[in-house]
Amino acid sequence: AQRVTQPEKLLSVFKGAPVELKCNYSYSGSPELFWYVQYSRQRLQLLLRHISRESIKGFTADLNKGETSFHLKKPFAQEEDSAMYYCALTGDYKLSFGAGTTVTVRA
Amino acid sequence: NAGVTQTPKFRVLKTGQSMTLLCAQDMNHEYMYWYRQDPGMGLRLIHYSVGEGTTAKGEVPDGYNVSRLKKQNFLLGLESAAPSQTSVYFCASSPSENRVNQETQYFGPGTRLLVL
Repeated sequence: AQRVTQPEKLLSVFKGAPVELKCNYSYSGSPELFWYVQYSRQRLQLLLRHISRESIKGFTADLNKGETSFHLKKPFAQEEDSAMYYCALTGDYKLSFGAGTTVTVRA
Repeated sequence: NAGVTQTPKFRVLKTGQSMTLLCAQDMNHEYMYWYRQDPGMGLRLIHYSVGEGTTAKGEVPDGYNVSRLKKQNFLLGLESAAPSQTSVYFCASSPSENRVNQETQYFGPGTRLLVL
């Protein structure tokens, strides 16, 4: 069985402060992990995926197989980063999503 | 390209009523999915389809049926709505060129359903 855990439902940071969203997973095979973001009144969209090893909008995420984690980080949060973030894991054409973390960046 | 579209955007039903949610995509994607989004539970997969004429159960299929008669459309049906089905429903699709692209999903704007 595959499972994704996001322990924080809400996360509030000040503009310019670092932000880290935690994601832990359980999966018996070789995982492929993603972060999706949903801005207010917009549809869910892909933010980044671990296989690409890319930085999108200043966010990065490193897959740590030893700790079974895929935490999302940004060194300097901006107000436009306020959104709901979902960590997701894939297997057999299906994505399993975590419960989501709502991030609020305050001025 | 309109991408993934959903109809209707919002609907109120009484317990026991039936309805169909329509999802359409114009990206020629093979795979389509229906999710429900509930507070504190994230997105949960209801049903999915890996091609025209095929459907499969996801994590929470009970109370829902689906059909994929055309590649571009994926319908989600509620035969007898219950208050527990009050939720936001998202449709998604993904291409089939390779496994990674299959799992990069493109989402519709969502349908808010309230069952009284």
